[in-house]
Amino acid sequence: SQQGEEDPQALSIQEGENATMNCSYKTSINNLQWYRQNSGRGLVHLILIRSNEREKHSGRLRVTLDTSKKSSSLLITASRAADTASYFCATVNAGGTSYGKLTFGQGTILTVHP
Amino acid sequence: NAGVTQTPKFQVLKTGQSMTLQCAQDMNHEYMSWYRQDPGMGLRLIHYSVGAGITDQGEVPNGYNVSRSTTEDFPLRLLSAAPSQTSVYFCASSRRQGMANVLTFGAGSRLTVL
Repeated sequence: SQQGEEDPQALSIQEGENATMNCSYKTSINNLQWYRQNSGRGLVHLILIRSNEREKHSGRLRVTLDTSKKSSSLLITASRAADTASYFCATVNAGGTSYGKLTFGQGTILTVHP
Repeated sequence: NAGVTQTPKFQVLKTGQSMTLQCAQDMNHEYMSWYRQDPGMGLRLIHYSVGAGITDQGEVPNGYNVSRSTTEDFPLRLLSAAPSQTSVYFCASSRRQGMANVLTFGAGSRLTVL
């Protein structure tokens, strides 16, 4: 079963605008990660936020985590046409050992128009 | 440093045929996994391995076999292909590093079963 659900499914913006994507999950987590996938390519890790963190930054990316609401958001500031891609959240469940198993959301397709 | 290499990139099979998707990593990662990606479904875990000689089932294991004789290689076998196995398959690896489990993905193998 899918852990994460992402919203919106698709987002279309102009270059220079900010893009916000949301992810909700169902079970307790150890960490939540965001990945990017360009068309026809594999996924690339963007950022990881642990369950005891509330916000994390990496360049133009800002991730927030609200464990009480079981939700996360990814903000891309000052977007560029090159940011056009699909973005996925993925969770590592709390407890035990995860053995490299992540549970992925359905993804948000971001289109940035020049 | 090649990372995770998957072959073939594209394959067309007839129902009932068998084939093996190859996956190799050169990062000495302990964990390896196979995911399938279907439209609107995100990525779903098929099988995973925590080290040479150790494999286990993921969310959607039926119709697939895996083995891991070396740290580097983790092939995925389809014993009798079915149209429902038409998908894009991704191999991923990660280091055993606490619970972080950041995945490095291959470029994917697109399989069509007629």
